[in-house]
Amino acid sequence: SQQGEEDPQALSIQEGENATMNCSYKTSINNLQWYRQNSGRGLVHLILIRSNEREKHSGRLRVTLDTSKKSSSLLITASRAADTASYFCATGLSQGAQKLVFGQGTRLTINP
Amino acid sequence: DGGITQSPKYLFRKEGQNVTLSCEQNLNHDAMYWYRQDPGQGLRLIYYSQIVNDFQKGDIAEGYSVSREKKESFPLTVTSAQKNPTAFYLCATEPGQGSSGLFFGSGTQLSVL
Repeated sequence: SQQGEEDPQALSIQEGENATMNCSYKTSINNLQWYRQNSGRGLVHLILIRSNEREKHSGRLRVTLDTSKKSSSLLITASRAADTASYFCATGLSQGAQKLVFGQGTRLTINP
Repeated sequence: DGGITQSPKYLFRKEGQNVTLSCEQNLNHDAMYWYRQDPGQGLRLIYYSQIVNDFQKGDIAEGYSVSREKKESFPLTVTSAQKNPTAFYLCATEPGQGSSGLFFGSGTQLSVL
């Protein structure tokens, strides 16, 4: 079964609203990463949060990590049409991507 | 996508044919990875290489082969033994262990004729 599972699978909101995506996982991790993928393109790394961190910010992105609940959330504030994409969480079981396990993603649609 | 070039963008394979997907990087990154993505799915690791002339199998290596003769290049061959090759293939690099995540190419869509 997937290590990281995103929720919801699809999300549609109006431009300007905030979007929240969640990721749950099963085993202990070294780090958790969030990526964005536009249709038919490669993934773009957004944020990496380590297991000893609880929150990180990058521009309009805020990521939280709760290791006791084995869950993470990605918040995109003041959404824009250009944020329309699929968002994936990936759990790193150790340093180095050879132990990186991707979830199935959340498809986010921002309506103008 | 900058710094990692995958080619071709689209590739068609005939029955029993081997095909090779190219991945070239000018980022001077040590580690390179090949992932497979099926529709509506996450990425699954095929092979990875952390140093020239060395590579390791990932979770779904059967039916695939790789080489790492140069730091810049990590080609993936989809052999005739791979019975369900239709997928989106992504190459990625990582500058070092525990760094700031993966850098991805723009992908190759492989389809079977």
